[in-house]
Amino acid sequence: EVQLVESGGGLVKPGGSLRLSCAASGFTFSTYNMNWVRQAPGKGLEWVSYISGSGSKIYYADSVKGRFTLSRDNVKNSLYVQMNSLRAEDTAVYYCARAGIGDTMDVWGQGTTVTVSS
Amino acid sequence: DIQMTQSPSSVSASVGDRVTITCRASQGISSWLAWYQQKPGKAPKLLIYTASSLQSGVPSRFSGSGSGTDFILTISSLQPEDFATYYCQQTYSFPWTFGQGTKVEIK
Repeated sequence: EVQLVESGGGLVKPGGSLRLSCAASGFTFSTYNMNWVRQAPGKGLEWVSYISGSGSKIYYADSVKGRFTLSRDNVKNSLYVQMNSLRAEDTAVYYCARAGIGDTMDVWGQGTTVTVSS
Repeated sequence: DIQMTQSPSSVSASVGDRVTITCRASQGISSWLAWYQQKPGKAPKLLIYTASSLQSGVPSRFSGSGSGTDFILTISSLQPEDFATYYCQQTYSFPWTFGQGTKVEIK
């Protein structure tokens, strides 16, 4: 079964750091581009970051550029995002999502919740 | 950045109704458009990719059309399980952007 499982969410103070992980299974992870997408409470979807299968291409939303760092380990079949200098507006459910045909997000994890609050 | 604008923001409909949701891009995106369905507390689910291709396992009552800047998602006969929020998203150029969502509610 194709599956993505996020972990690492939690409560963090403003200015703090957190590292989210996404464990992939059921497909050849290294051949797929991957994304992080977030959703603030009661709000819509916001794309956060993208990494190519090899890890050679990485893109970020302006809202997180310079604060978030995306990486992947194709041996461990895992995707990571290191989130630094967290702000209240980073509070959201964070989803990892596989990029399929046309880079559309065809497989999603269940999400992990990040709350930034003092 | 490419802005994606959906209309309406919400629609009230009955089971069996035909529902159409429109998505407009601020510049041409060819057919690089996807539609997603999201139910409360759940992850989004891909319905349509490249504007009109039905994702495997998605019922045929869902269809997508359009190219360039104007796109439509159609639900031909609304079913109880279709009450949800729908999002369009462009993958033409970074940053990927989503529409603000359209909530389909029970009339």
